[in-house]
Amino acid sequence: DGGITQSPKYLFRKEGQNVTLSCEQNLNHDAMYWYRQDPGQGLRLIYYSQIVNDFQKGDIAEGYSVSREKKESFPLTVTSAQKNPTAFYLCATSTWGQETQYFGPGTRLLVL
Amino acid sequence: KQEVTQIPAALSVPEGENLVLNCSFTDSAIYNLQWFRQDPGKGLTSLLLIQSSQREQTSGRLNASLDKSSGRSTLYIAASQPGDSATYLCAVTLGSARQLTFGSGTQLTVLP
Repeated sequence: DGGITQSPKYLFRKEGQNVTLSCEQNLNHDAMYWYRQDPGQGLRLIYYSQIVNDFQKGDIAEGYSVSREKKESFPLTVTSAQKNPTAFYLCATSTWGQETQYFGPGTRLLVL
Repeated sequence: KQEVTQIPAALSVPEGENLVLNCSFTDSAIYNLQWFRQDPGKGLTSLLLIQSSQREQTSGRLNASLDKSSGRSTLYIAASQPGDSATYLCAVTLGSARQLTFGSGTQLTVLP
């Protein structure tokens, strides 16, 4: 919460469709992260970016793609290759010298 | 690969009780350990961060301890209140990459 905005709050995906989740921050943080949370489970890292125009795969990157064209924005696209996309998606940010990550309010993705 | 385990998965206590939540990790070469709180359908809020060189951190009614050699951390909540009801997640960071590995959380219910 605070300076991190995720939209939409709920998103519905049809079979074979790509959808994009938005994450915007005004905290001037360098690093941004995308996590997936399934019911009763912890968070798993999808992608992260430490600087603009650079990003790395996390533990479960298959079926997802990201871009980091601006410091403030780190959109996540859930592609049709992700066969089980239903989950709660959380974006986080951090800044050099502070180890704490700050989390957005999340987007819940459901499949129709 | 680092694995983080939290026991119990769920806990229900009467108001006013002191309680302890447990977190264990398999790789003791951690950079730091954090405890987060998550309310239903919301993002995460950082509660306490313990550096690898520290033994404990305190914030109000919360006290977190870290024993790196045994791969364990505990979160102690004193005089629990219904407002403490939430899921508590611990996460460890390996090295300076700031990638977090999360446990699956303990769902706490404090009964009035």
